[in-house]
Amino acid sequence: AQKITQTQPGMFVQEKEAVTLDCTYDTSDQSYGLFWYKQPSSGEMIFLIYQGSYDEQNATEGRYSLNFQKARKSANLVISASQLGDSAMYFCAMSLGSSNTGKLIFGQGTTLQVKP
Amino acid sequence: NAGVTQTPKFQVLKTGQSMTLQCAQDMNHEYMSWYRQDPGMGLRLIHYSVGAGITDQGEVPNGYNVSRSTTEDFPLRLLSAAPSQTSVYFCASRRVSGNTEAFFGQGTRLTVV
Repeated sequence: AQKITQTQPGMFVQEKEAVTLDCTYDTSDQSYGLFWYKQPSSGEMIFLIYQGSYDEQNATEGRYSLNFQKARKSANLVISASQLGDSAMYFCAMSLGSSNTGKLIFGQGTTLQVKP
Repeated sequence: NAGVTQTPKFQVLKTGQSMTLQCAQDMNHEYMSWYRQDPGMGLRLIHYSVGAGITDQGEVPNGYNVSRSTTEDFPLRLLSAAPSQTSVYFCASRRVSGNTEAFFGQGTRLTVV
């Protein structure tokens, strides 16, 4: 069964430091995509970064990078130089390419609090 | 470009009442879906669709109906609301081909009393 697991319900980080949010996934598909979304207290879902299963290099988007370890089935999000505005809930998600339905499944989320 | 429009933003229902949550997208996306978000549970997939006339159940479909008569619209119906359906509901759309991001509506906070 396809599953996303985020084992850290809550995390704290000091402003300007880097933080890693963990995500592991389970699928037997060879083609899949991994996503990270941010949900601030206002509630909207904001897309951060994407990694394809066949991408050899880790994805980066500004201060966000995705540490993709395919053999370990992990897709951790690294936020460098944390800012107060990074305080939010973060969700890891997976899409399954071979099924071609477009379906996205999500993990339980990690709440990140950035301390000044 | 409106993206995904979801209405209403807030709703209070009495147990047993019915209602429809509306979702419309203007990006010509094939895939549309409904999720519910409960504390500590993340986003759980209720129903999804890969095109007009095609729908399928997600992880938590009981108590909800959907239909997809056009590419743009994907309403979610609660036929007889129950307190267990108190949640925040999100509609999302994305292209099926290629691993592209999903675009989300603003969410509907539903309370069933």
